[in-house]
Amino acid sequence: DAKTTQPTSMDCAEGRAANLPCNHSTISGNEYVYWYRQIHSQGPQYIIHGLKNNETNEMASLIITEDRKSSTLILPHATLRDTAVYYCIVRPGGAGNNRKLIWGLGTSLAVNP
Amino acid sequence: NAGVTQTPKFQVLKTGQSMTLQCAQDMNHEYMSWYRQDPGMGLRLIHYSVGAGITDQGEVPNGYNVSRSTTEDFPLRLLSAAPSQTSVYFCASTTEGTGANVLTFGAGSRLTVL
Repeated sequence: DAKTTQPTSMDCAEGRAANLPCNHSTISGNEYVYWYRQIHSQGPQYIIHGLKNNETNEMASLIITEDRKSSTLILPHATLRDTAVYYCIVRPGGAGNNRKLIWGLGTSLAVNP
Repeated sequence: NAGVTQTPKFQVLKTGQSMTLQCAQDMNHEYMSWYRQDPGMGLRLIHYSVGAGITDQGEVPNGYNVSRSTTEDFPLRLLSAAPSQTSVYFCASTTEGTGANVLTFGAGSRLTVL
C-alpha cells in the first residue's frame, strides 16, 4: 500500500525555490515524515524528517500541515545539482520499524538553467 | 568516514551462476538491509538484519540469501542467477533505536543476468 502520494515530475528554475508536495492523508500519530533524494542512479540520500513541527537544516525546510495529512519539502535556492528524484516516506517512530519503509516512485525534479 | 561500501559496482552474470554482493559499514549500525531497484518500481526490501546473527526476509527474498556474522558486513548471495534478478542493488544501514534512524545507502551494485 502506498502511504504517500507525490507528483510524478516537477520543474524549477535555477535559483528559485523548489516546493515539493507530498500527501500522506492516512498518517498515524506516531509516524514521522522523511524525505530522501536520489541523484542519477546513486544511492538515496537523506534530506530531512519531522513529526509535526516544521523543520529546517542546511539542505532544506520541511513544512507539515497542522492536520499532518500533507507536507512540503522546500529547497530555498535550487541549483542544477538538486536535479534528482525526491522520495517522501512515512515511518513509525521507535525501534523495529526500519523494515516498514514503503518507497514509491517519488517526484522527479528537474532544475533548469 | 567510508559510510556504506558496496562491491562490485557492476557485474554481468550468466543464468545459473552464483555470486555475492558485498556490503560493509563502519558506523556501528545495528540495522542493515538490501534493496533492489527496478525501472518503474520503488525500492523493494530483499532482506534485512537487526544485528549480528539475526536476519529476516523482506518483501522480495526469493533467490537471495544473506548472513550477518559481524556488525560491519552484510553480504547478499545470489544462488542461481536468473534474468529477473537483473537490477540495481542497494545496501543501507541505520541505528535500530528510538532515534532518527536515518538510512545511509551505498552507491549501488548494477547486476545484469544474461
